[in-house]
Formats: sequence, structure tokens, C-alpha cells
Amino acid sequence: DIQMTQSPSSLSASVGDTVTITCRASQGISNYLAWYQQKPGKVPNLLIYAASTLQSGVPSRFSGSGSGTDFTLTISSLQPEDVATYYCQNYNSAPSFTFGPGTKVDIK
Amino acid sequence: EVQLVQSGAEVKKPGESLKISCKGSGYSFTSYWIGWVRQMPGKGLEWMGIIYPGDSDTRYSPSLQGQVTISADKSISTAYLQWSSLKASDTAMYYCARRAVAGAIDYWGQGTLVTVSS
Repeated sequence: DIQMTQSPSSLSASVGDTVTITCRASQGISNYLAWYQQKPGKVPNLLIYAASTLQSGVPSRFSGSGSGTDFTLTISSLQPEDVATYYCQNYNSAPSFTFGPGTKVDIK
Repeated sequence: EVQLVQSGAEVKKPGESLKISCKGSGYSFTSYWIGWVRQMPGKGLEWMGIIYPGDSDTRYSPSLQGQVTISADKSISTAYLQWSSLKASDTAMYYCARRAVAGAIDYWGQGTLVTVSS
């Protein structure tokens, strides 16, 4: 089973800051990596797939990079509406499309 | 418009059985995998398993194999998640979700809250 880790587990940043979240897979998953945003009390929402492809309708301040085992999600110019928990997900290895443990982002 | 509409919240006792549903509309239900995701109170997302309604090919997360059953009725565009004997630890929000052709989850149901308490 492929394990996913994320760091940090939480962060607090100011409006306008650039925020970076890291996701690591326990073995190579090529670019089969997605990022989701879950706002408090809401359904998760796809931000990025194939490690770096922005889902339609997602603001361009969100970007992703990486391949193999190491991936990053970057939010440039953090906005108040970005307060949420962010999850990475490996979708390379059926049946277990494992999620990372999540990174909670707050505004300082 | 693609929609996944889940059945309503449930309150059950330990040992009871339960089947929750997820009805797809606005797309070809038989052409996309449907997955189930668990979120326990205050916790993260946990992948449970996935089914291809076109032929009912089903894959379970190794950690949940045998604890739940995933099925689908393509004639009514509905996927199901069921338990034969609920435990208190099954208390959680359960989401169904469509796997896009590219592989990630592009649409989610609104969630079904299952509470198991004596």
C-alpha cells in the first residue's frame, strides 16, 4: 500500500502571503497526484490533478508541481476564502487511492 | 449538469444493518467509476473503495475489505454502500464521488452522515 504524508499539518499565514504545502508518496506514483480543498463543513473540491493541471474554475493563484514521490501545492497571495484543509491524493494504485492526512490553513 | 445525490442522514444502533445510496445524473453513469470516501468526526478523508457501474467491477481499500459492501444498480444510476452489522466506530460522514477519466475525483455527493449509537 502506498502511504501519503503531508507537511506541515497546519499553518497560519497572512493575507497576500505565498503558502507551500508538501506531499510525499512512499513510492513513486509518476504524476498521479491530485489536490483537494475542503472548507469547514463543506464537500471537498478538486483543485489540481495530474500533479500540476488546474481544474476548470479554480483560481490561478493555486498551482501544483512535482513527480515521482515529492509534490507541492502553492497558493500565491493567500486570500481569506482559502481558509480550508488541503489534501493530496494518490490515484495511481487501485484499489487504494490514498489521501494524505491533510494540511489546515488559517489566516494569521 | 453532473450531480451525485446521496440519501439522508441515518441514526442506527450497533449491530444494525444499513444501506446508503448515491444517485448519479447528468452524465453516463455506466462510464465512470464511483468511489466512496469516509470522514470520521474531525478527521481526514479516507478512501474506502470504488465500483464501475458498467460491469460492477469493485475494488476495496485493503484496510476496509470485508467491513462494507459496495454495489450499483445501473438501471437506476445508483451506487450503494452497505453494512451488515454497524459499530460505533462507523460513525462518520460518507461521500460518494465520481472518478474522472483523468483519474482524480471531479464530482462529489453532498455526504451522508451516519451516526451509530446505543
